[in-house]
Amino acid sequence: GAVVSQHPSWVICKSGTSVKIECRSLDFQATTMFWYRQFPKQSLMLMATSNEGSKATYEQGVEKDKFLINHASLTLSTLTVTSAHPEDSSFYICSARGPTLRATNEKLFFGSGTQLSVL
Amino acid sequence: AQKVTQAQTEISVVEKEDVTLDCVYETRDTTYYLFWYKQPPSGELVFLIRRNSFDEQNEISGRYSWNFQKSTSSFNFTITASQVVDSAVYFCALSEEDNAGNMLTFGGGTRLMVKP
Repeated sequence: GAVVSQHPSWVICKSGTSVKIECRSLDFQATTMFWYRQFPKQSLMLMATSNEGSKATYEQGVEKDKFLINHASLTLSTLTVTSAHPEDSSFYICSARGPTLRATNEKLFFGSGTQLSVL
Repeated sequence: AQKVTQAQTEISVVEKEDVTLDCVYETRDTTYYLFWYKQPPSGELVFLIRRNSFDEQNEISGRYSWNFQKSTSSFNFTITASQVVDSAVYFCALSEEDNAGNMLTFGGGTRLMVKP
């Protein structure tokens, strides 16, 4: 199968600190990864598209200086929440475009998510 | 612009009942993909199905079945003989790109509670 590993699973930090979340494709190369945010009991909203070797594309309303995305290799994209505040507390989840699995027809693979709590 | 609507925010059933989760979508593209994901309390997204816009055949996988009706822009999901382990939030999603490996627009989700 195609596995996407996301770390950390959860993080608690003080207001004003920066937090880095990693998304790795373990057994395939991912030129494109996506970052989503999910507030409690709400849906997943696309934040940005991360492209290897180039700048990320942010969705409307997402502050690129606040949410820094780096996709420096074909297997790793990072999301850094800079100067985090309580309103940034959310569930962040990444996905990567990979090979189509014959058994399931799946082509998009999700990480397990990161729960960020900012105190 | 694309949009996915899951009108049912919460559904509660008793074990062994059948339950249908509704999904209605909007898109201007003629080529698109529809998905269903399950999100248990642990948070990860569990892929259930991907269907392209040219394949209107209904699909059955064990206790799960999907009804794709292009005429009504709906892609409903039925769980037969529900079990407690089916309790989760279910998301319907849409991708407008033709390679299906692209960004997803999610519906608001339906929280399913199956009581013993």
